[in-house]
Amino acid sequence: EAGVVQSPRYKIIEKKQPVAFWCNPISGHNTLYWYRQNLGQGPELLIRYENEEAVDDSQLPKDRFSAERLKGVDSTLKIQPAELGDSAVYLCASSDPGQGNYGYTFGSGTRLTVV
Amino acid sequence: AQSVTQPDIHITVSEGASLELRCNYSYGATPYLFWYVQSPGQGLQLLLKYFSGDTLVQGIKGFEAEFKRSQSSFNLRKPSVHWSDAAEYFCAVCLYTGNQFYFGTGTSLTVIP
Repeated sequence: EAGVVQSPRYKIIEKKQPVAFWCNPISGHNTLYWYRQNLGQGPELLIRYENEEAVDDSQLPKDRFSAERLKGVDSTLKIQPAELGDSAVYLCASSDPGQGNYGYTFGSGTRLTVV
Repeated sequence: AQSVTQPDIHITVSEGASLELRCNYSYGATPYLFWYVQSPGQGLQLLLKYFSGDTLVQGIKGFEAEFKRSQSSFNLRKPSVHWSDAAEYFCAVCLYTGNQFYFGTGTSLTVIP
């Protein structure tokens, strides 16, 4: 089993540029999460999907962040335009509702640096 | 307000010594409780979890944690630390299955020879 796969692992961009992150969850996991982890902090939820539906996006900064999960499988998180404060690690996680939090798995994350 | 507190930002222990990392939560009901470890540049790896039942739970890599309802605590312990245990440790809670996790700010562990 490949686990939760994220790409790219690292990304350096200039401010005001767009950037996108990709996540492929564990096969069969219907629930997908995007978290942001600032330096020295714990991860914080940005958005949660149940299949292709975003069921909790209350903490997603919608002026510049967007996400999609077409077909309820892999997902893309986009920032446009990026700001210096967006530098962080973006983590994707997935879980199987049938297993609940027994099956909650994180990917390795994408480390974004905005310069 | 709901919160997860890890009072120790950084801990240094000698290899072979015992370890205890503290975690306190503030919620109206007993949440699901977790400990994750994160090595530099890596994602989060689950060490152990508590849902119900026996308040002493065993995890991977020789870690254990004890849930104490009266203290709203879920402290992580290991009897003998190895150099490879050096990492960032996060306590997390979840209010019900499938809901989001709330993480503490983490405790950085340094292991000295």
